[in-house]
Amino acid sequence: QVQLVQSGAEVKKPGASVKVSCKASGYTFTGYYMHWVRQAPGQGLEWMGWINPNSGGTNYAQKFQGRVTMTRDTSISTAYMELSRLRSDDTAVYYCARDWIPTTVTYWFDPWGQGTLVTVSS
Amino acid sequence: DIQMTQSPSTLSASVGDRVTITCRASQSISSWLAWYQQKPGKAPKLLIYKASSLESGVPSRFSGSGSGTEFTLTISSLQPDDFATYYCQQYNSYPITFGQGTRLEIK
Repeated sequence: QVQLVQSGAEVKKPGASVKVSCKASGYTFTGYYMHWVRQAPGQGLEWMGWINPNSGGTNYAQKFQGRVTMTRDTSISTAYMELSRLRSDDTAVYYCARDWIPTTVTYWFDPWGQGTLVTVSS
Repeated sequence: DIQMTQSPSTLSASVGDRVTITCRASQSISSWLAWYQQKPGKAPKLLIYKASSLESGVPSRFSGSGSGTEFTLTISSLQPDDFATYYCQQYNSYPITFGQGTRLEIK
């Protein structure tokens, strides 16, 4: 079955960077766009951007431009999201989420990874 | 940015009730709206896309309607598994934005 498995929780200091991985299985990794969405504790959902695993092309939400980098390694069907210059308000659960239809961007997210808690604290 | 406003923020209901959650967009988004269900400690799950299309495997008691700026998610007969938080999401324009969520709790 289609599955996205993310890396474990991280604790980082302000100003540091974090890199979260998302390993895909059960489908052709390069066939579907991958999105990243975050959720601060007790808060709603915030879309960060997408990566096209086939081409490596990306589209980031303006809020994160200059701080976020999304990459992929097709040899191991894994997508990555790196966020730099971390602040305390970056504390959140970060999710990867596959787009719903192959080869195009629909912004319907299904399935999702299990989430990775990133805590930013001095 | 398009603001998505859900109401109510919290809804108390009983098993068997019919409930409706409303989502309003700050400008027209045509039918580019999705609904997700999230349970505590879990990732969201897609329920509905294009405002009214039911995702495969989602029970038919869930339905969505609306276009433009006003949308609704209706659960025709609440089941114990339905108590969760529900989010709407617009994908008409960047940035993609979500509503603040509606928590559906047991009365």
